[in-house]
Formats: sequence, structure tokens, C-alpha cells
Amino acid sequence: GEQVEQRPPHLSVREGDSAVITCTYTDPNSYYFFWYKQEPGASLQLLMKVFSSTEINEGQGFTVLLNKKDKRLSLNLTAAHPGDSAAYFCAVRPSSSFSKLVFGQGTSLSVVP
Amino acid sequence: EAAVTQSPRNKVTVTGGNVTLSCRQTNSHNYMYWYRQDTGHGLRLIHYSYGAGNLQIGDVPDGYKATRTTQEDFFLLLELASPSQTSLYFCASRKRGDEQYFGPGTRLTVL
Repeated sequence: GEQVEQRPPHLSVREGDSAVITCTYTDPNSYYFFWYKQEPGASLQLLMKVFSSTEINEGQGFTVLLNKKDKRLSLNLTAAHPGDSAAYFCAVRPSSSFSKLVFGQGTSLSVVP
Repeated sequence: EAAVTQSPRNKVTVTGGNVTLSCRQTNSHNYMYWYRQDTGHGLRLIHYSYGAGNLQIGDVPDGYKATRTTQEDFFLLLELASPSQTSLYFCASRKRGDEQYFGPGTRLTVL
């Protein structure tokens, strides 16, 4: 079944720097991808959902890139600020089961002032 | 705003104990999920359901039972709790074609 590998597990950047989190997946037919943010002690909140038909998606202060050829999904936080400090998880909806999500292992991001 | 609530928020039990975690969603969503979150593993799916009376096995079901009594309520049962089940448990709901909405989580400690 689908497997998702997320890197790095921990990331520390200075305020104003960029931060990049990457997920690779195995199912070439996966077509629906998600990024969730989990602030300390809180639940998961959806950051962005991405269809496989769109390679670049921009949000407030971040960009999501999907490379279907390499089966790689990345989250790029531009000009990170302390409020971005959180755990981030990618999730992939596999073609074998449209009801499920397969999550990456998570990245703990720390933005230092 | 989709609403998913969980109870209890914290639970401590002993090995061999009987635990029930509750989840309620008021979103009229068809799908509900139970996950456990452990460092280094992300979220792993335990059980999920399409609707009242339906149960589907997830990826890490051993040691867990679940029951969906109504569209709103989904329960996770640990009948003989073990220390390996110490974890943070999340419930989520989803309507067809949409993203999953997560509850606040239940921290379970098995001594």
C-alpha cells in the first residue's frame, strides 16, 4: 500500500528564513494531498489541500509544490515567523482507498526570533 | 466550522483495564476515523466508519474495537489495555470528497 516518508523530523530556522518540508510517496496514482499544522498541545488544522492537477499552490506565507514525476510533495514556508512553530504533517489519499489518508511521520518546526 | 469533540481529554488506566474513548461530530459527516499519534510515526489509522453500524479496519487495529452507534457518535474500545497503547488519540470526521476535521485529542496513559 501507499507509504509516505516525511523529512526532516526536526527543523529549526531563524525568523525571516525559509523552511522546507518534503514528503515522498509511493503510489503513482495518488491524486489528493494535504498539509496539516498542529500547534503545541492542539489538534490538527488543515493548511492546504492539493489536487494532482495543480503543481503549485500558494497560501498565506507558504507554497506547496507537487512533483508527480518524482512523487514528491513539499511545503515551503517563506519568511518564517515564531507563529509558524508547530508540527507539520503531510497526508496522501491513496488510489487503493479513497476513504483513507496515509500520513507522513511529521516535522517539528521551531522558528527562533 | 466543523465540530468534533472527544472525551475524556485525559485518561490514566492500568494494564488490563477497560477503556472507552468517545467522539462526537455535529457536522452531519458520513465518515469518522480513529487515529493514534506517536512520535516518529505520525498519525496511524486504527478504525473508521462510513456511517451508523458500519466499521472498517484501519492499519493498526490490533487491541482495539470500535463502534459507530449513530451518525454522530464513534467509540474506541480498549478491552485489555496495554502500555503499548499509551498514546494520543484523535478522532476525525469527513464528508464525501472533503478533508478530514480533527477533534482535540485524548491522551491515554496505560500504567
